Amino acid sequence: GAGVSQSPSNKVTEKGKDVELRCDPISGHTALYWYRQSLGQGLEFLIYFQGNSAPDKSGLPSDRFSAERTGGSVSTLTIQRTQQEDSAVYLCASSLVTTVPSNEQFFGPGTRLTVL
Amino acid sequence: AQTVTQSQPEMSVQEAETVTLSCTYDTSESDYYLFWYKQPPSRQMILVIRQEAYKQQNATENRFSVNFQKAAKSFSLKISDSQLGDAAMYFCAYRNPMDSNYQLIWGAGTKLIIKP
Repeated sequence: GAGVSQSPSNKVTEKGKDVELRCDPISGHTALYWYRQSLGQGLEFLIYFQGNSAPDKSGLPSDRFSAERTGGSVSTLTIQRTQQEDSAVYLCASSLVTTVPSNEQFFGPGTRLTVL
Repeated sequence: AQTVTQSQPEMSVQEAETVTLSCTYDTSESDYYLFWYKQPPSRQMILVIRQEAYKQQNATENRFSVNFQKAAKSFSLKISDSQLGDAAMYFCAYRNPMDSNYQLIWGAGTKLIIKP
């Protein structure tokens, strides 16, 4: 595809339910990031994938959050037993080569999660 | 820890005039990268401009330029000849090339309003 895509665009769920958010990075991009953007805030790093290496999960806020990346491409962020404080926009980004720190991260349009 | 501060939650400017958005950061590193991203209502983050700390010259991209003051740890964005399409949230971000995951550290953002 031409850019990073994310689905669904919006998700409304009830407290305690599990949700899955999907990210399709730009083809050929080896690095993939998940960020969380709460209302009126900047982005908070959640997790980072680089190729086939073990992901950097240092930003995940609790063990209810997990993510995987299949075949070095599509990624899924899963939130179990959702809480109201999980309500936010979840953004995915990909970049071509992480060994060049100036490389641009390309962002998807995000998934707006609302937990009732 | 590295931090990024945007002290202006909201700015407004008349169409065709010039506006400057402020950003300060805190780091003990000498080499790093700074970015300005634009987030329109579509939520998709778009890179506006980037600056490498070891470069003395301020980056410029058409109507967008930065005033990078390394000693003061200041990285402001100037938008000249403001257009209605410039209305968006603007985020300042920092990257430390020594971070193993190259994550971006974000400010809280400035909402830019363009008055016709």
